Amino acid sequence: ILNVEQSPQSLHVQEGDSTNFTCSFPSSNFYALHWYRWETAKSPEALFVMTLNGDEKKKGRISATLNTKEGYSYLYIKGSQPEDSATYLCALNVGDMRFGAGTRLTVKP
Amino acid sequence: ETGVTQTPRHLVMGMTNKKSLKCEQHLGHNAMYWYKQSAKKPLELMFVYNFKEQTENNSVPSRFSPECPNSSHLFLHLHTLQPEDSALYLCASSQGAPQVFGVYSNQPQHFGDGTRLSIL
Repeated sequence: ILNVEQSPQSLHVQEGDSTNFTCSFPSSNFYALHWYRWETAKSPEALFVMTLNGDEKKKGRISATLNTKEGYSYLYIKGSQPEDSATYLCALNVGDMRFGAGTRLTVKP
Repeated sequence: ETGVTQTPRHLVMGMTNKKSLKCEQHLGHNAMYWYKQSAKKPLELMFVYNFKEQTENNSVPSRFSPECPNSSHLFLHLHTLQPEDSALYLCASSQGAPQVFGVYSNQPQHFGDGTRLSIL
């Protein structure tokens, strides 16, 4: 069973702080790694799809990196804003999608 | 507008009831999915349909019965559910399933807002 681990489980930061969290996986045997943002009472929204070791993706203040050799991906948020408050999900495509439990980010004004 | 619409948003039912969840996607995708999220657990894949054909059944109990009449519509028929089936049920769609017969797609999935199901 492939376990996708996300840490920390939850994170509280002040507005303007930069933050990052981790998605860890035990094997590089997957087709792609996906990041999603899930705001409360809304649907998960795709952020990035990453496939190659060393991939870096960026969307506004949010960026992500992938290290398949050491089995992790980082998601960075620069200058957090209250609207960034959400649960950030990581998922691996191993033939089907395996999701982590998510990191719940709260940004305080 | 998500492009993936789920109804109802909330459902309360007894263990002997029969109900159905509905999902509709307006994105022209060919793959559709049902996921379950129980409290404090990761999203669990239940079923995958690709071009109306079921390609994945993730050991889901038979009291959950999916139906995909066309690429735009997906149903989850529920009968004699148990209290532990109370959860958020999410539908998703994508252009291509993660893997079909060795061919894989890395297209992101588009989710609906979910149905919050409570079993009394």
